[in-house]
Amino acid sequence: AQTVTQSQPEMSVQEAETVTLSCTYDTSESDYYLFWYKQPPSRQMILVIRQEAYKQQNATENRFSVNFQKAAKSFSLKISDSQLGDAAMYFCAYRRSRGGSEKLVFGKGTKLTVNP
Amino acid sequence: DGGITQSPKYLFRKEGQNVTLSCEQNLNHDAMYWYRQDPGQGLRLIYYSQIVNDFQKGDIAEGYSVSREKKESFPLTVTSAQKNPTAFYLCASSIPSWALNTDTQYFGPGTRLTVL
Repeated sequence: AQTVTQSQPEMSVQEAETVTLSCTYDTSESDYYLFWYKQPPSRQMILVIRQEAYKQQNATENRFSVNFQKAAKSFSLKISDSQLGDAAMYFCAYRRSRGGSEKLVFGKGTKLTVNP
Repeated sequence: DGGITQSPKYLFRKEGQNVTLSCEQNLNHDAMYWYRQDPGQGLRLIYYSQIVNDFQKGDIAEGYSVSREKKESFPLTVTSAQKNPTAFYLCASSIPSWALNTDTQYFGPGTRLTVL
């Protein structure tokens, strides 16, 4: 069974600085997707960024980028120029790509605090 | 506006009662999902449905039931057989992955269920 591990229960960063959140996963599949979701205090899950495993290029979305290391099964999220609105729980998630609808497997999350 | 709605936002239930959580989407997505979130844990899949009139159990289906009579709607019933139902429930939807770049699941705002 696939598993996702986020080893940092909590992280903090100063406003305008950069922070990296870690995620590792375990799978025997070769083709899959990886995601980072943000859950602010409203508890709505918001997609931050996604990565296809077959793509070597790391995904970027504005201030958010990932470091995808397929051999190491590592998928870290870098937030640049941190803003107060980035404070939230961040969840890493895995989804295998075969078939139609597939479930997401989530890590336990990292709580990010942004200090002014 | 297109999106996923869940109602109610907060729900209280007495022990021994069944309760139904609503999930509606107007994104024209075929697949819908129900997840449960407990404190300190990531989301876990309860049930999912790829098409109308079809659904499959997820990892923690015991004590829950669903129906999928319409594409837009995927209600979840928490039965009295669910031993620890107090949790935050999130509904999601997606287009099946055989469609290009449509593997992403989008989430509703969630329902907080408390058993008194």
